[in-house]
Amino acid sequence: NAGVTQTPKFRVLKTGQSMTLLCAQDMNHEYMYWYRQDPGMGLRLIHYSVGEGTTAKGEVPDGYNVSRLKKQNFLLGLESAAPSQTSVYFCASSYSWSNTEAFFGQGTRLTVV
Amino acid sequence: GESVGLHLPTLSVQEGDNSIINCAYSNSASDYFIWYKQESGKGPQFIIDIRSNMDKRQGQRVTVLLNKTVKHLSLQIAATQPGDSAVYFCAEAPQIYNQGGKLIFGQGTELSVKP
Repeated sequence: NAGVTQTPKFRVLKTGQSMTLLCAQDMNHEYMYWYRQDPGMGLRLIHYSVGEGTTAKGEVPDGYNVSRLKKQNFLLGLESAAPSQTSVYFCASSYSWSNTEAFFGQGTRLTVV
Repeated sequence: GESVGLHLPTLSVQEGDNSIINCAYSNSASDYFIWYKQESGKGPQFIIDIRSNMDKRQGQRVTVLLNKTVKHLSLQIAATQPGDSAVYFCAEAPQIYNQGGKLIFGQGTELSVKP
């Protein structure tokens, strides 16, 4: 099993450009999450989904949109990238709301210049 | 507001010694407290969790202690090995049905193991 796969692994964007980060999981998990990690800080939740067709805002949702059209995929979109969105983005999934073991992808390093 | 933080940003130990990583939390309502390990260039990996009605839980070479009186969480690693070198995050999880099992992470402690 591949677990949680994120694409791309690296990306450089110019301010104002848009892009979509893709997360795919093959564990049939209901719950999926997008976090960002900045230097010296822990992970902060951007958006999450409790099932196919559902999304909800996390701690830092501004400037991002998400979609969960298929259970195995969770997309994170940046409509107009800003330098403040330079970060490492992690996708995660978990089996249920009571399961504390989340499985993380390898991360996407995004730089906005 | 809610926060989960760590006392020390870095910890250096000798191979074979025991390591203790500490964490302070502020939200008494969380149901679970969790430790994750993040190796360089990788995503976080689950180590162990503890429910709020427990004060100790043991895993393979790791023990988590929870002191609710002083809102303190610690991770003990026995016989630390070079492969334990990583950043360790504590996290808390409010177990609310419609909250989707969200994790609230602390800042992290970097553990360095000297051979």
